[in-house]
Amino acid sequence: ILNVEQSPQSLHVQEGDSTNFTCSFPSSNFYALHWYRWETAKSPEALFVMTLNGDEKKKGRISATLNTKEGYSYLYIKGSQPEDSATYLCAFSSTDSWGKLQFGAGTQVVVTP
Amino acid sequence: GAGVSQTPSNKVTEKGKYVELRCDPISGHTALYWYRQSLGQGPEFLIYFQGTGAADDSGLPNDRFFAVRPEGSVSTLKIQRTERGDSAVYLCASSFRVAGYNEQFFGPGTRLTVL
Repeated sequence: ILNVEQSPQSLHVQEGDSTNFTCSFPSSNFYALHWYRWETAKSPEALFVMTLNGDEKKKGRISATLNTKEGYSYLYIKGSQPEDSATYLCAFSSTDSWGKLQFGAGTQVVVTP
Repeated sequence: GAGVSQTPSNKVTEKGKYVELRCDPISGHTALYWYRQSLGQGPEFLIYFQGTGAADDSGLPNDRFFAVRPEGSVSTLKIQRTERGDSAVYLCASSFRVAGYNEQFFGPGTRLTVL
C-alpha cells in the first residue's frame, strides 16, 4: 500500500445498528494514524490519534483499532444514531514528515431513522 | 475559545485572476497547515509552517501557489493566474506544535470556484 485507502466509499445504516469500516495505509515509516469526522458545512473534527500497534481508542459509541504491522485500522460505530451521519476520514503521518497528513477519500455514513 | 477561522467562506473568481485565502489559527498554536479537497477525494496536503517558516511545501502543485505566515500567526495562501482545476475546498488547520501525533484542528474551509 503506497496511499491511504478507505472502504467502503459509502454505507447506509439503520438507526440502532452497528457498523465498521476500514482504513489501509503504508506499513513502513509509520508515525501516527488519525481519524476525523466531517459533517456537512462544519469543520473536520478529530476523533482519535493512534500511534502504537494494537492501540484501541474509544469515544462514546465510537471506537478504533490499529494494526501498524499490516497497515490497517478499523473504526466501529455501535448503535448508530442519525447524528453519526458524516464522512469519516483517516489520515496517516510518516516518520519522513511528521506534520504532513496523507488522507484517504473517506467513508460516507448515512444513518436512517 | 475560538477555533480556526478562514475567510472568505466562499470565493468565486474568473480564470486567470489572483486570489488570496486567509487563515487565523488557534491562539498559541505554532504549527499551521494548508490542505485542499477536490470533489470526491480526501484532503490533499499543500504546505505546513512551523512558526514563520515553511517546514514542508512539497504539496504545492506548482509555482502559481504560494503561502506566507509573516508573524507566525495568520497565514495567507495566494494563487496566481487561477485555473478551473484550482476549484476546491481549501482547508487550514493548526496544532500546538508539529508532531505526527498532535491533533490538527481544522477550520471550516474556503470553497474556491474558478469559472
